[in-house]
Amino acid sequence: QVQLVESGGGVVQPGGSLRLSCVASGFSFSDFTMHWVRQTPDKGLEWVGFMRSDGSNYYVQYLRGRFTISRDNSKNMMYLHMNSLSADDTAVYYCAKQGAASAPYFDSWGQGTLLTVSS
Amino acid sequence: DIQMTQSPSTLSASVGDRVTITCRASQSISNLLAWYQQKPGKAPKLLIYKASSLESGVPSRFSGGASGTEFTLTISSLQPDDFATYYCQQYNSAPYTFGQGTNLEIK
Repeated sequence: QVQLVESGGGVVQPGGSLRLSCVASGFSFSDFTMHWVRQTPDKGLEWVGFMRSDGSNYYVQYLRGRFTISRDNSKNMMYLHMNSLSADDTAVYYCAKQGAASAPYFDSWGQGTLLTVSS
Repeated sequence: DIQMTQSPSTLSASVGDRVTITCRASQSISNLLAWYQQKPGKAPKLLIYKASSLESGVPSRFSGGASGTEFTLTISSLQPDDFATYYCQQYNSAPYTFGQGTNLEIK
């Protein structure tokens, strides 16, 4: 069965950087567009961005330039590189598998990894 | 960006009740809407996509409807496992946006 496991969360000081990882199994990872979604109690669920199997990507406008998604299809891994972190980035970060080509709903999610930005 | 507005924010109901949650999009999304269920401390779980298509393995008591920019999630007969928070999500155009959630609680 499909499994997604995130890691890399933790406590980071404001202005710091962090990389989150997501390892996938149970499906042909290289064939699917993968997404990052974050969740906070205040703002709810927020889509962060995606990377297609061909490496093309797209981000929510207000995170462009600070957040970068990459993937390594040979390792079934996706990453989220985050820079210039602030308290507003404190959230649970989920990786999610796109349900179908050209249909970006999310049919599988990881368990999430918590990022806390605090001094 | 497309705004998704869910109502109600909280819904109190009993086992066996029929309940409906509504999600309204700020513009046409061509029925490209998904519904998710989330329980505390867990990731969201896909229930319905393309407004009314039931995800594999999801009980048939869940159904989705659409009329223009208004979408509904109906649970025909609430079961104890259904008390959770429900979210809609549009995927017509990026950025893909979610509703603010409906907390379905036991009356």
